[in-house]
Amino acid sequence: AQRVTQPEKLLSVFKGAPVELKCNYSYSGSPELFWYVQYSRQRLQLLLRHISRESIKGFTADLNKGETSFHLKKPFAQEEDSAMYYCARGGTDKLIFGTGTRLQVFP
Amino acid sequence: KAGVTQTPRYLIKTRGQQVTLSCSPISGHRSVSWYQQTPGQGLQFLFEYFSETQRNKGNFPGRFSGRQFSNSRSEMNVSTLELGDSALYLCASSSPAGVDTGELFFGEGSRLTVL
Repeated sequence: AQRVTQPEKLLSVFKGAPVELKCNYSYSGSPELFWYVQYSRQRLQLLLRHISRESIKGFTADLNKGETSFHLKKPFAQEEDSAMYYCARGGTDKLIFGTGTRLQVFP
Repeated sequence: KAGVTQTPRYLIKTRGQQVTLSCSPISGHRSVSWYQQTPGQGLQFLFEYFSETQRNKGNFPGRFSGRQFSNSRSEMNVSTLELGDSALYLCASSSPAGVDTGELFFGEGSRLTVL
């Protein structure tokens, strides 16, 4: 099965600490990877996509085809980063999501 | 632009009943996807419609069905409800290329509780 795996259900860090949310995928073709975020009481929304190679709100994610990973990183976490993060894979006319990682940033 | 609108926002049903959920996409978006969100499973893909045609379907039983109308509004139906169907059902719309580019716009969801 073509899966997206997020091994951590919960990640807790203190403000200012580095953050890495892990995502691994399985896909036989050329994957298109994305990170979505859901803040408390807000809608699920696109955070960033690998093809854009952009940094959004200080977050970056690099596609590593050798390790089939697309980890989300931020050097210094902020309290407002606390949210649910979902990794997703496209490329097949549908988006497949991982089970999500809840990031808690403590003051 | 108005966002994706889902109705009803909350509903309670009993086992064996059926339910219909509605989704109005962003104006101009012709693709509508449906997902089931639960704490343990995350977001699971149900189906995707484009121009009134189902383009993709997830691994859900036949009790789950959907359709799309000519104005791109979509409905999903779950028949013979089971306790395990309790979840937040999310609808997302996108432009024709949006599904491939990963840019889905989500609604707030319809929270279904089955008693």
